[in-house]
Amino acid sequence: GEDVEQSLFLSVREGDSSVINCTYTDSSSTYLYWYKQEPGAGLQLLTYIFSNMDMKQDQRLTVLLNKKDKHLSLRIADTQTGDSAIYFCAEIAGNYGQNFVFGPGTRLSVLP
Amino acid sequence: GAGVSQSPSNKVTEKGKDVELRCDPISGHTALYWYRQSLGQGLEFLIYFQGNSAPDKSGLPSDRFSAERTGGSVSTLTIQRTQQEDSAVYLCASSFEGGFEAFFGQGTRLTVV
Repeated sequence: GEDVEQSLFLSVREGDSSVINCTYTDSSSTYLYWYKQEPGAGLQLLTYIFSNMDMKQDQRLTVLLNKKDKHLSLRIADTQTGDSAIYFCAEIAGNYGQNFVFGPGTRLSVLP
Repeated sequence: GAGVSQSPSNKVTEKGKDVELRCDPISGHTALYWYRQSLGQGLEFLIYFQGNSAPDKSGLPSDRFSAERTGGSVSTLTIQRTQQEDSAVYLCASSFEGGFEAFFGQGTRLTVV
């Protein structure tokens, strides 16, 4: 079945760049996503990338997609304490693209 | 409404009782998803509704779990004879057909004591 993997923890210093990595298995995924979950809150869609793109940039966020290796990354430039959260990678799976498959989430801790 | 609304935000129930969790999706969204997030775990898919099609129930963990969506809008997730392992945050999401952007509610934190 479909599977999405992420490292579980990442710590960075405030002002540094954060890179969160994700690997997925479904080569037919059309969209790949990054969601952010702050403590006690629901999931917030950060950004997504279509599978025919290699890169997408949105302010401090850069998404890189290596479709050959099924590898997705999220880079956060100038990381701030407010970026501390859990970041979930997700792909669309299922016969009709109806099911999001999420990774376990990467807990990002930003140290002052 | 402006976003996906879930109620209640918190629910404490006794083992063996039935609970109903409600999700009010974004107006116009035809797709609705239920997920479960257990403490320290990732997201587990439960069920998916799309328009008038039969729902995809492949993620429901047991026959104690059921969900319905009335009038193509509000959805209710029902858990019968709750068990302690049902304790989790239950998240609902909605999207337009195709699900390319899914928006999540704040979740219902269920605690079974």
